[in-house]
Amino acid sequence: EVQLVESGGGLVQPGRSLRLSCATSGFIPEHYAIHWVRQGPGKGLEWVAGISYNSANISYADSVKGRFTISRDNAKNSHYLQMNSLRAEDTALYYCVKDILLGFGKLSRFDVWGQGTMVTVSS
Amino acid sequence: DIQMTQSPSSLSASVGDRVTITCRASQSISIYLNWYQQKPGKAPDLLIYAASRLQSGVPSRFTGTGSGTDFTLTIASLQPEDFATYYCQQSYSTPWTFGQGTRVEIK
Repeated sequence: EVQLVESGGGLVQPGRSLRLSCATSGFIPEHYAIHWVRQGPGKGLEWVAGISYNSANISYADSVKGRFTISRDNAKNSHYLQMNSLRAEDTALYYCVKDILLGFGKLSRFDVWGQGTMVTVSS
Repeated sequence: DIQMTQSPSSLSASVGDRVTITCRASQSISIYLNWYQQKPGKAPDLLIYAASRLQSGVPSRFTGTGSGTDFTLTIASLQPEDFATYYCQQSYSTPWTFGQGTRVEIK
């Protein structure tokens, strides 16, 4: 069974950092791109960042560019989102999401989602 | 960035009704449009990709149409398990963007 399990969320003060992790199983990680998608309380979905199968291609939403860093370690079946300079508006449930493709092709779609890890930014 | 706009934001319908949700892109995205269903407290599920292709395991009552800037998701005969929020998402170019969602409620 294909699974993605997020961890690392919690309560953090504005301006501080947090690192989210995503452990994958049931598929070969180096065959697929991975993304992070977030959902604020009572709000819609927002794509945050994506990384291709070999880390050669990385992309970020404008709202997090320069503050967040996505990475992966295929040997450990693990993916990460380093979040720095956190703001109140970063408060959200963060989903780790598997793409159907290796990289950022036009037929990209998100076929498997984790259950999410909650990040709350508040003083 | 490509903006995605869904309408309506919410709708009320009865079991057996035909339901149509619209998604409009701020520029042409060809057929590169995906639809997701999200039930309360759950992660989203992929329903349709490339505008009209049904994801494996999704019931045939779900249909996607459109190309360019205008797309629709149709549920032919609404079932109790279809009450959820639906999102469109463009995969034409990064940053990928979602519509704001359409909540389908029980009338």
